[in-house]
Amino acid sequence: QVQLQESGPGLVTPSQTLSLTCSVSGASVSRGGHTWSWIRQHPGKGLEWIGLIFPSGNTYYAPSLKSRVTMSLDTSKSQFSLKLSSVTAADTAVYFCARGYCSNASCWYSWFDSWGQGTRVTVSS
Amino acid sequence: EIVMTQSPATLSVSPGESVTLSCRASRSVSNNLAWYQQKPGQAPRLLIYAASTRATGISARFSGTGSGTEFTLTISSLQSEDFAVYYCQQYNDWPPLTFGGGTKVEIK
Repeated sequence: QVQLQESGPGLVTPSQTLSLTCSVSGASVSRGGHTWSWIRQHPGKGLEWIGLIFPSGNTYYAPSLKSRVTMSLDTSKSQFSLKLSSVTAADTAVYFCARGYCSNASCWYSWFDSWGQGTRVTVSS
Repeated sequence: EIVMTQSPATLSVSPGESVTLSCRASRSVSNNLAWYQQKPGQAPRLLIYAASTRATGISARFSGTGSGTEFTLTISSLQSEDFAVYYCQQYNDWPPLTFGGGTKVEIK
């Protein structure tokens, strides 16, 4: 059974870079059939997709965040990571990592079948 | 960007009743739609994918219908553990992957 666990600082200073890691157990981040995403939830609000990385390392980001987001894989550690630069208070949220289950060989169509528990990040000086 | 609109924002229901939640896409997403349940302090949980297929371990009380732009999630005979927020999400046309704003099902 796959498990995902987010880790990283709970407090980030404005204008700095938010860095989070998702550790995956029970599945390989480099094996096809799945994608790996970051999703966030502002306090009391809905879900916002941040970006996705394929096992190949190809990435796709939300247009609204694209200029500030970088995602990467560390297959040796079975982890994937998120970096969000130039953060402001508007980036304060709970950040989830999630696995996408691919419905076809191209893996273009996938839904989130497993989620981490989420990690709360506050941007404040 | 495909905008997902859920209605109503809140539903007040009594245990044992059935409810139908709506999700509308700003343009067709075929059947590439998923539903999630989220309880306070928890991560979302996958309920339905491909508009109508229940995820592993999900009760048959949950059913999804629809295609194109109109979708519904029906929960029959509501139980205490079903009171939560429900989100729809399209994965047909992205980036970005987009979620609806959620429907909160609360106890009447």
